[in-house]
Amino acid sequence: GENVEQHPSTLSVQEGDSAVIKCTYSDSASNYFPWYKQELGKGPQLIIDIRSNVGEKKDQRIAVTLNKTAKHFSLHITETQPEDSAVYFCAGATGRRALTFGSGTRLQVQP
Amino acid sequence: GAGVSQSPSNKVTEKGKDVELRCDPISGHTALYWYRQSLGQGLEFLIYFQGNSAPDKSGLPSDRFSAERTGGSVSTLTIQRTQQEDSAVYLCASSLDRGGYTFGSGTRLTVV
Repeated sequence: GENVEQHPSTLSVQEGDSAVIKCTYSDSASNYFPWYKQELGKGPQLIIDIRSNVGEKKDQRIAVTLNKTAKHFSLHITETQPEDSAVYFCAGATGRRALTFGSGTRLQVQP
Repeated sequence: GAGVSQSPSNKVTEKGKDVELRCDPISGHTALYWYRQSLGQGLEFLIYFQGNSAPDKSGLPSDRFSAERTGGSVSTLTIQRTQQEDSAVYLCASSLDRGGYTFGSGTRLTVV
């Protein structure tokens, strides 16, 4: 089955700096890659996703890039704000199979 | 409803007791998923429903765990003879076929 690895496990940045979180996946047939943000005591919330026919997608300060050849994808957050502090999860899936999640990155934005 | 609703939000049970966790998905969402999240850990897949059938139940950790979905809507996750290692947050999500998941806030289960 699919295996998704995520790093770093923790990331601390200064407010206004950029943050990058990277994930690799094992199943070359995977074709859907979402990113979720989880705040304390809440369920994960979808923030952006990308499908395998696209190399990059942007939504305001958030962007995701996908390299199918290398089987890795990354989340980029620019101009970070304290409210970006949370745990971020990447995930991957093939066809109708359920998502396999990475182990999470705890992002701390220092004001 | 507007989102995925899970109940109870918190459950404390004695070791050996059975528990039932409920999930009300977003109306019209055909797919429903159960995940488990241990403290500070990632999301562990348990089971996936498409309609009322479960094409993938490979993540259920033991035969003490079972789940059902009725009417293409509400799902119940049942854990029999609970053990301390079952303590975790149980998350439910729903989606429109292959779209992004919408998660509930979870049920925090503590087995004492």
